[in-house]
Amino acid sequence: AQSVTQPDIHITVSEGASLELRCNYSYGATPYLFWYVQSPGQGLQLLLKYFSGDTLVQGIKGFEAEFKRSQSSFNLRKPSVHWSDAAEYFCAVVLITGGGNKLTFGTGTQLKVEL
Amino acid sequence: EPEVTQTPSHQVTQMGQEVILRCVPISNHLYFYWYRQILGQKVEFLVSFYNNEISEKSEIFDDQFSVERPDGSNFTLKIRSTKLEDSAMYFCAGKKEGYNEQFFGPGTRLTVL
Repeated sequence: AQSVTQPDIHITVSEGASLELRCNYSYGATPYLFWYVQSPGQGLQLLLKYFSGDTLVQGIKGFEAEFKRSQSSFNLRKPSVHWSDAAEYFCAVVLITGGGNKLTFGTGTQLKVEL
Repeated sequence: EPEVTQTPSHQVTQMGQEVILRCVPISNHLYFYWYRQILGQKVEFLVSFYNNEISEKSEIFDDQFSVERPDGSNFTLKIRSTKLEDSAMYFCAGKKEGYNEQFFGPGTRLTVL
């Protein structure tokens, strides 16, 4: 079945530490890939996206993500986390063909930042 | 920078009542979407809308749901007879022709009592 998996429900890191949030997808074709962030009580803000080309993509707020076709992964990284990064992070995909344009989201990873 | 707006930010209603959630997409967007997020759960697709008709809908989007864009500006989601399990955050999103990025509104929190 087609799915998006975020294996880590909660992650806690210290401010200044590096961060990696995992995302795996299970689709027959390569989808378009996105990371969104949701702060408490807020909407969804697009951090970055991957459609094609360079597999390392840069986003806003110092985030980057790497697409690895062989692992069906699109992990989100940040070299040094700030307290304001505490939020919920969602990986999402859109199928390029046959799936319309709807976004399919993972279950999210709640990031806590310790000062 | 243009933003998607949604009203109201919070709606409380009694079970069985009708609610209408409103969205004003970015003006040059042509594709529109509704998603919902039940508290503590993931964001789920409800429906997509293009050229004044539904292009895709999920199993969640049953006969009690409807969407329309009556005036070419507002994009609405109507729930005819709300149930307790309709309590969720509802997000509107839009995208431009030829692009794959969807831009989300801040959401409407619907509470059904």
